[in-house]
Amino acid sequence: EVQVVESGGGLVKPGGSLRLSCTASGLTLSGYTMIWVRQAPGKGLEWVSLISSDSTKMNYADSVQGRFTISRDNSKNSLYLQMDSLRAEDTAVYYCARELSGYGRPCDYWGQGTRVTVSS
Amino acid sequence: DIQMTQSPSSLSASVGDRVTITCRASQSIGDYLNWYQQKVGQAPKLLIYAASHLQRGVPSRFSGSGSGTDFTLTITSLQPEDFATYFCQQSHYPPRYTFGQGTNLQIK
Repeated sequence: EVQVVESGGGLVKPGGSLRLSCTASGLTLSGYTMIWVRQAPGKGLEWVSLISSDSTKMNYADSVQGRFTISRDNSKNSLYLQMDSLRAEDTAVYYCARELSGYGRPCDYWGQGTRVTVSS
Repeated sequence: DIQMTQSPSSLSASVGDRVTITCRASQSIGDYLNWYQQKVGQAPKLLIYAASHLQRGVPSRFSGSGSGTDFTLTITSLQPEDFATYFCQQSHYPPRYTFGQGTNLQIK
C-alpha cells in the first residue's frame, strides 16, 4: 500500500521551532520534486516550499523565506521542513506532496497532513 | 502571484446529479490547471491534470475542461463517495503555485 506520512507537528510558542518530516512507503520520492503546502484554519491551500530531486533548487514563499528550510534525504525516502521563528500566522495543517515533471506538473501523491499550532 | 478564484464555495447536490465547479485564473495559465479531491482527514487526491487529462484510476464521471483563464470540473451522475471538497491548482508558474479556495460539495 502506498503511504505518504507527515509527522513532527504540534503546539509551539511564537518564536519557537519545529521540524516536519515526510516519509513514503510503497512509493519513491527520490527523482521527484517535492513541495510543502499548508492550509490555515478556514483558509485555502498555500504553497510553502519546493525542493528539486537533487536538492540543487529550493524555493520558498515570501511568507516563510528566511525562516523555513526545506531539505531531503533520498536514501531515507524522506523530506523535511525546518521551521524557525514561528509566528501565529504559521498555524496550519502542513502537507507534503510529490510533483510530477510531466504535463501540467500535478502533485500525484500527498500526505494526510500534520497540524502545527503556534500559540502562547 | 496568480490568483485562483473558485466557485461556488459550497454546493449541495443529490446522488445522480451533474455538478460543475469553476476556477478562474487572474491571468492566462494555458492548460496548467489541476483538480484535486479531498475528504475530511484524508490526503488530497489528484483527479484531473493539465486541465482535461483524467488521472489513472479516477472514474470517467469526472472531467475537466478549459484553457487560458477559465476552467471547469464536471462530475456527472454523482455518487455517494464524491461528496468532498474540491480544489484547483495552477502550475503554470513554478514554484509559485496557487490554489483555489475550494468547493465543499455536500449531500442535499
